[in-house]
Amino acid sequence: DIQMTQSPSTLSASVGDRVTITCRASQSISYWLAWYQQKPGTAPNLLIYKASNLESGVPSRFSGSGSGTEFTLTISGLQPDDFATYYCQHYNNHSPYTFGQGTKLEIK
Amino acid sequence: EVLLVESGGGLVQPGGSLRLSCAASGFVFSDYWMSWVRQAPGKGLEWVANIRGDGDETYYVDSMKGRFTISRENAKKSLYLHVNSLRAEDTAIYYCARERAYTYGLFDFWGLGTLVTVSS
Repeated sequence: DIQMTQSPSTLSASVGDRVTITCRASQSISYWLAWYQQKPGTAPNLLIYKASNLESGVPSRFSGSGSGTEFTLTISGLQPDDFATYYCQHYNNHSPYTFGQGTKLEIK
Repeated sequence: EVLLVESGGGLVQPGGSLRLSCAASGFVFSDYWMSWVRQAPGKGLEWVANIRGDGDETYYVDSMKGRFTISRENAKKSLYLHVNSLRAEDTAIYYCARERAYTYGLFDFWGLGTLVTVSS
């Protein structure tokens, strides 16, 4: 199975900051990588798919990049609503679909 | 509007069973692969199983094969997860999620989840 590893596990930042979260796959997954945002008590919400494609309705301050085994999620100009937990996920083969362990973005 | 509403969770003793349900609306249910994803309290996301639109193909994470069974009733626009021989480590919120058309495993809509607590 493909393992997904995110770093850091926790990130402290301030409103207006630019932050980057990294996700590494245990083997090449081409660009089949998604990012989700989850706020406490709610379901995850799709932000980015195919490594760099912004989901409809997601603010343009979110961006994704990478291919193969290394990927990043960048948030430029943090807003109060962005403080949440972020997960990367490998997809597009039949199974299993694996998630990273999550990165909690906290207010500094 | 796409809506997914899970139900059927609750407190169950170790070794017990439950049937989780997910009622779908707002899209042509039979056209989509559907998945169950779970999240233990304070932990990350874990994909459990999925099923093809016509119900004829299913996949499971290895650790749950044999104990969990995914199924669907397209006429009722409903997805199910039968969970047997429950263990404490199965305690989690169970989400149903729609997989985007033509894209295996990309979850574009999620329900709010149903909590399963396994405890004596």
